Amino acid sequence: GAVVSQHPSRVICKSGTSVKIECRSLDFQATTMFWYRQFPKQSLMLMATSNEGSKATYEQGVEKDKFLINHASLTLSTLTVTSAHPEDSSFYICSARARTSNEQFFGPGTRLTVL
Amino acid sequence: DQQVKQNSPSLSVQEGRISILNCDYTNSMFDYFLWYKKYPAEGPTFLISISSIKDKNEDGRFTVFLNKSAKHLSLHIVPSQPGDSAVYFCAASVGLGFGNEKLTFGTGTRLTIIP
Repeated sequence: GAVVSQHPSRVICKSGTSVKIECRSLDFQATTMFWYRQFPKQSLMLMATSNEGSKATYEQGVEKDKFLINHASLTLSTLTVTSAHPEDSSFYICSARARTSNEQFFGPGTRLTVL
Repeated sequence: DQQVKQNSPSLSVQEGRISILNCDYTNSMFDYFLWYKKYPAEGPTFLISISSIKDKNEDGRFTVFLNKSAKHLSLHIVPSQPGDSAVYFCAASVGLGFGNEKLTFGTGTRLTIIP
């Protein structure tokens, strides 16, 4: 099946710094990528949807200036958490949809801890 | 506002018996439902889905039942095998199929199959 990777798998940073998370589709071209966030004991919540070469569409309540999404190529999307704060500590997971498929394939996720 | 609910955070089932995972939803606009399976350190993988025009969909050992009037769906696994031990997420969308349609997830149920 299609493989989606995320890097890094875990990151610990100081409050006020920015963190970049990469999401790559390894064996297919992803026309659309989705970014989710999961807080402890809560469900995966969609943050934004990005299509290659265009601006991301953010869900209500998600600050686009804080969570910068770049989908510059058909195999890579990045999420940058700017000026991270402890409340941004969460599990961030991406998914990708291939041009030729309707299914979303998920990455393994990135655990962000902001001190 | 949790639109998709999985009220059982965990479930233990003897190997060979039937596992039944439940999911309730509140949004009557949802018309497509999916189950995902997630192993530790991996992303969720698609398991089985059902459209609201059906009340049952079967794929091998996995069967999903949909009760629209009760806004309830369930996943049956029979017979349960040790490899089925994982976290199972229920998800729903407005719009048929996968793709750009936003997925709303439940909080997950951790299934443990006892050998």
